[in-house]
Amino acid sequence: KQEVTQIPAALSVPEGENLVLNCSFTDSAIYNLQWFRQDPGKGLTSLLLIQSSQREQTSGRLNASLDKSSGRSTLYIAASQPGDSATYLCAVSNDYKLSFGAGTTVTVRA
Amino acid sequence: GAGVSQSPSNKVTEKGKDVELRCDPISGHTALYWYRQRLGQGLEFLIYFQGNSAPDKSGLPSDRFSAERTGESVSTLTIQRTQQEDSAVYLCASSPRIRVYEQYFGPGTRLTVT
Repeated sequence: KQEVTQIPAALSVPEGENLVLNCSFTDSAIYNLQWFRQDPGKGLTSLLLIQSSQREQTSGRLNASLDKSSGRSTLYIAASQPGDSATYLCAVSNDYKLSFGAGTTVTVRA
Repeated sequence: GAGVSQSPSNKVTEKGKDVELRCDPISGHTALYWYRQRLGQGLEFLIYFQGNSAPDKSGLPSDRFSAERTGESVSTLTIQRTQQEDSAVYLCASSPRIRVYEQYFGPGTRLTVT
């Protein structure tokens, strides 16, 4: 069974600092990995999707890397803003089943 | 266009009662998923519908849980004889047929069993 772990569980930083969120998974036979953002009462929003053949994806201030062989992914958020405060979830997929980590709750202090 | 919608947004029920949760997927999405998110935990896969194919029910935690979907439209998740451990946020997602990993999530239903 795929196990996904996210470290740290919570993170508080002052505005402007860079954020580093970590995700590890036990089974490297994945199709892709996604990073989601979860805001209270608003469901999940997909931020970045990395196919298993890719090493990284970038969108604006966000960059995610994937090392499938070691079962690790890292999400970098540059120059954090208070609006980045949310819970960030990592999910790996094997076909239609997504396996999620418990998330990292980020607070960016103004 | 409209996203995935779920109702109710919040439900408080007494232990032992039955509850029904509803999900309206994005129009044209043939695949529909239900997940459960307990406090402080990741999402757990419950069930997957793809068009008129037999659903994958492998994630349903007990026979008290069931789900229905008519064609490619609305789905209902039913929990019978609710228990306190059923308290969680239930999330629904839908996706296009050929990109099943591209799941769009609804806002969820927060279920509290007292």
